[in-house]
Amino acid sequence: GQQLNQSPQSMFIQEGEDVSMNCTSSSIFNTWLWYKQEPGEGPVLLIALYKAGELTSNGRLTAQFGITRKDSFLNISASIPSDVGIYFCAGKNFGNEKLTFGTGTRLTIIP
Amino acid sequence: GAGVSQSPSNKVTEKGKDVELRCDPISGHTALYWYRQSLGQGLEFLIYFQGNSAPDKSGLPSDRFSAERTGGSVSTLTIQRTQQEDSAVYLCASSPPWGGDYGYTFGSGTRLTVV
Repeated sequence: GQQLNQSPQSMFIQEGEDVSMNCTSSSIFNTWLWYKQEPGEGPVLLIALYKAGELTSNGRLTAQFGITRKDSFLNISASIPSDVGIYFCAGKNFGNEKLTFGTGTRLTIIP
Repeated sequence: GAGVSQSPSNKVTEKGKDVELRCDPISGHTALYWYRQSLGQGLEFLIYFQGNSAPDKSGLPSDRFSAERTGGSVSTLTIQRTQQEDSAVYLCASSPPWGGDYGYTFGSGTRLTVV
């Protein structure tokens, strides 16, 4: 099935650094979602975006819905050890309850 | 319950055997979804139930895969004649009606290993 392309695939950063990851698609979406998955758990929703150009924050996390509707990015400021995990983007269109997921960005924090 | 519950959490089976995976959605959630996550991959849609409507089975990879939802609550995903490529984490999620815009609530998954 179709998947969204996320980059980078993995990141190794030091605690306190800022993180930026993005997600691109060949087709448009009406809703973009960002999830985080920790080992042995299901993904947990972080941020949802509903309008092209929208910029939304949740604590140290900020995400934007690209103006073309074909991309989105997620920033994490001042990373902390508990930010470790795999971050997934997901796209959705009106009238279709299925989510199309990205390939994931694995974040590792070096103490 | 408070969250989406899946059982078993781990399942090891021999190639060719049938397996059943169970999902208990959040009470009151009428929509239920099954996704598959292969090692190091994103999530692949399998099937979607919404209330009493016919399920969307468009993501099931072969006729060895089937799912049912009894009484609009508990769902069972069945894989017949398992193959090694079926090894993956099977994730169930639920949401209120048309809740996809607000994200689903996922369970912790069943890790299936076919040996």
